[in-house]
Amino acid sequence: LAKTTQPISMDSYEGQEVNITCSHNNIATNDYITWYQQFPSQGPRFIIQGYKTKVTNEVASLFIPADRKSSTLSLPRVSLSDTAVYYCLVERGGFQKLVFGTGTRLLVSP
Amino acid sequence: ETGVTQSPTHLIKTRGQQVTLRCSSQSGHNTVSWYQQALGQGPQFIFQYYREEENGRGNFPPRFSGLQFPNYSSELNVNALELDDSALYLCASSLDGDANTGELFFGEGSRLTVL
Repeated sequence: LAKTTQPISMDSYEGQEVNITCSHNNIATNDYITWYQQFPSQGPRFIIQGYKTKVTNEVASLFIPADRKSSTLSLPRVSLSDTAVYYCLVERGGFQKLVFGTGTRLLVSP
Repeated sequence: ETGVTQSPTHLIKTRGQQVTLRCSSQSGHNTVSWYQQALGQGPQFIFQYYREEENGRGNFPPRFSGLQFPNYSSELNVNALELDDSALYLCASSLDGDANTGELFFGEGSRLTVL
């Protein structure tokens, strides 16, 4: 599975838009890009998944360029409760064993 | 709330002992995966059970073993505990094993401390 690289940490303020970019240069044709959120001492929670272009749901948007070698998770108008670790994963289609990196620690301040 | 429940939430063991962790999957889900998460690290895949059979295993020694029951609940057993086994053990529930690429539903985890 393709290795992912994302920033170790990011800081933001309440109400701002946060964009976390992940690189996955060796992504394969049948790989999907998935993002999870994790709060301390809790299990990860699925945020969004996409294959190409743009995906939007009620909590986030995922932008994937045509070459699919990177992706950007966009969190609109973050709040203090969005402080968490965000994991970018490349998930092989039909292969449900997730490979997590160390994630991006997002700190949202007042 | 994901509907995935794990027990116990916390436990302390000593080196050499054995531990059993339990997981009840979300209603309707037939696949359970186990992950180990050391402090400050991302979760690492241990193994997956699909319809009571092991369906893939990560880079963990044989002293990590598991079971899945007819009701799709699952157990993770670790023998001969080592200090490095101290971690948060996460159970994730999903549907149809490898046939489905999508959301995994994680429990809150069992925090194991080995002294």
